[in-house]
Amino acid sequence: KNQVEQSPQSLIILEGKNCTLQCNYTVSPFSNLRWYKQDTGRGPVSLTIMTFSENTKSNGRYTATLDADTKQSSLHITASQLSDSASYICVVSAMGGTYKYIFGTGTRLKVLA
Amino acid sequence: NAGVTQTPKFQVLKTGQSMTLQCAQDMNHNSMYWYRQDPGMGLRLIYYSASEGTTDKGEVPNGYNVSRLNKREFSLRLESAAPSQTSVYFCASRGLAGALSGELFFGEGSRLTVL
Repeated sequence: KNQVEQSPQSLIILEGKNCTLQCNYTVSPFSNLRWYKQDTGRGPVSLTIMTFSENTKSNGRYTATLDADTKQSSLHITASQLSDSASYICVVSAMGGTYKYIFGTGTRLKVLA
Repeated sequence: NAGVTQTPKFQVLKTGQSMTLQCAQDMNHNSMYWYRQDPGMGLRLIYYSASEGTTDKGEVPNGYNVSRLNKREFSLRLESAAPSQTSVYFCASRGLAGALSGELFFGEGSRLTVL
């Protein structure tokens, strides 16, 4: 069964600190993996996409990694800001006739001043 | 450029009432989706439309109907609302090609409560 699991469920950190969010997946055949940021009361917005051949990709203070062998991805946030408080959702796309997305349940991050 | 627009943002219904959630995108995307988001669960696909004139069931279609009115608009209808349909509903469209290929663009959500 295609699944995406994220950890931790929630996380509280102080402003300026770093944190790492984890995503493990069992999706086959794998197409790509995206991290989305969802602010409270808003729709998810894509942060980054990882394809099979990519190990690391950065988007400002966000750095995503992908290990296709172990089927794990991480999202590292550097020098956190209050505006980073949000849910972060890992979404894995499966190849096939119909483009299919499998969503993780998200990690809820709160950054405190 | 508005992206994906959903209406209404909030709605309260009584059990048995019907309503339609509206969604429109201005990015010329072919594929559109309706998801629901419940606490502790990932987004679940209700229905999708790969192109104008076609619709297909997703993971949780029971109790819902959809209409792909044209390339821009994709509506979701609850014929007889039930408390189990209390949720946040998201419409999304899929990017066409290049770096945006496969990226989902979401609306702001419609928060529905069924009493």
